[in-house]
Amino acid sequence: DADVTQTPRNRITKTGKRIMLECSQTKGHDRMYWYRQDPGLGLRLIYYSFDVKDINKGEISDGYSVSRQAQAKFSLSLESAIPNQTALYFCATSDLLYEQFFGPGTRLTVL
Amino acid sequence: GQQVMQIPQYQHVQEGEDFTTYCNSSTTLSNIQWYKQRPGGHPVFLIQLVKSGEVKKQKRLTFQFGEAKKNSSLHITATQTTDVGTYFCAGGGSARQLTFGSGTQLTVLP
Repeated sequence: DADVTQTPRNRITKTGKRIMLECSQTKGHDRMYWYRQDPGLGLRLIYYSFDVKDINKGEISDGYSVSRQAQAKFSLSLESAIPNQTALYFCATSDLLYEQFFGPGTRLTVL
Repeated sequence: GQQVMQIPQYQHVQEGEDFTTYCNSSTTLSNIQWYKQRPGGHPVFLIQLVKSGEVKKQKRLTFQFGEAKKNSSLHITATQTTDVGTYFCAGGGSARQLTFGSGTQLTVLP
């Protein structure tokens, strides 16, 4: 089984809809991250969490919110999706400041 | 905030040629990491450099961290088709997260 899983893997939604992307990990890491990937822009950090009670905004948090339900679960929500939120979303985990382990990604399209 | 620039954005090479990607930070880094993302895949960690002037090798890959800890490079000797993908650097600074470069997409022509 994969160490970091993301659901759904693909999602098409309409402008204005609320959508939630979910991430689960079995690595036992405290640190979890949500990134967005757009062509030519690399990976940009949306939110990160160092434990259940420690949640921080990243570089591009506007329009997004997160919930850390447990050490193993970190969800990303788009309260009212807009077309420029169409992107590939990755969840990642890490132990301290060492390597990050990425999930398979969620491809989101907002029409 | 911290910015990490990476060049080139794209590189096409013939199989067997060498390849280098460069990473520059606007601020001094505490560490730098390198990741590889295969087409359709997710980023996978390659290595972390921490010390000023550090050089590490993994088979045909050579990673360097600059003396001022503001730049880094990844060099691949004699590329193979299995090297195809996008290579990202990611800098760790005073904040508690990594800042990723925009990546270099490598195409290896057989």
